[in-house]
Amino acid sequence: SAVISQKPSRDICQRGTSLTIQCQVDSQVTMMFWYRQQPGQSLTLIATANQGSEATYESGFVIDKFPISRPNLTFSTLTVSNMSPEDSSIYLCSVEIHGYEQYFGPGTRLTVT
Amino acid sequence: AQTVTQSQPEMSVQEAETVTLSCTYDTSESNYYLFWYKQPPSRQMILVIRQEAYKQQNATENRFSVNFQKAAKSFSLKISDSQLGDTAMYFCAFIQVIQGAQKLVFGQGTRLTINP
Repeated sequence: SAVISQKPSRDICQRGTSLTIQCQVDSQVTMMFWYRQQPGQSLTLIATANQGSEATYESGFVIDKFPISRPNLTFSTLTVSNMSPEDSSIYLCSVEIHGYEQYFGPGTRLTVT
Repeated sequence: AQTVTQSQPEMSVQEAETVTLSCTYDTSESNYYLFWYKQPPSRQMILVIRQEAYKQQNATENRFSVNFQKAAKSFSLKISDSQLGDTAMYFCAFIQVIQGAQKLVFGQGTRLTINP
């Protein structure tokens, strides 16, 4: 497995502002993923972030709203831009270690007021 | 599109009992991977068990085992000798790999409560 950390663990933000979430893993990984978990819901993939290439976004998610950086093999950031209350969710990063197994960070709980 | 369905929104059992969580999926692919994840109140997603579609033998991890019925597209999770720490949301997940890109698709989850 891997040790994955996320910062911040939670935040309360005002609408119209942006928040950048950091994801750090203790080993080099090729594939990192960002998910959203809306209140009481399941997880939905936002995008796949591979080092050295542009992130690949899923239907319904766009780069202007959720820009992602992947500067190296152990780190990634997700920014939630121009936030509205509908963006209140848990945001989780994950990494693929081997054999398509994904391991998750502890999540960032975002509340937009 | 691949979908994962968990038909039991909530379940509750007594400690030490055995409980089975249901999951069905829909795919036209022949090679894929299935997972069960656990999310306790701490919200940390924890991988419980995995099953490769090409393997006929059901996966087992300590008290956790699966019943994988490929023809029926069914993938249930059995928890034996349940413990209070098993209380969590359980998500069934299916991974599709298309041209090297992978996407993990989750079911809606089953909230499992283990009562003392």
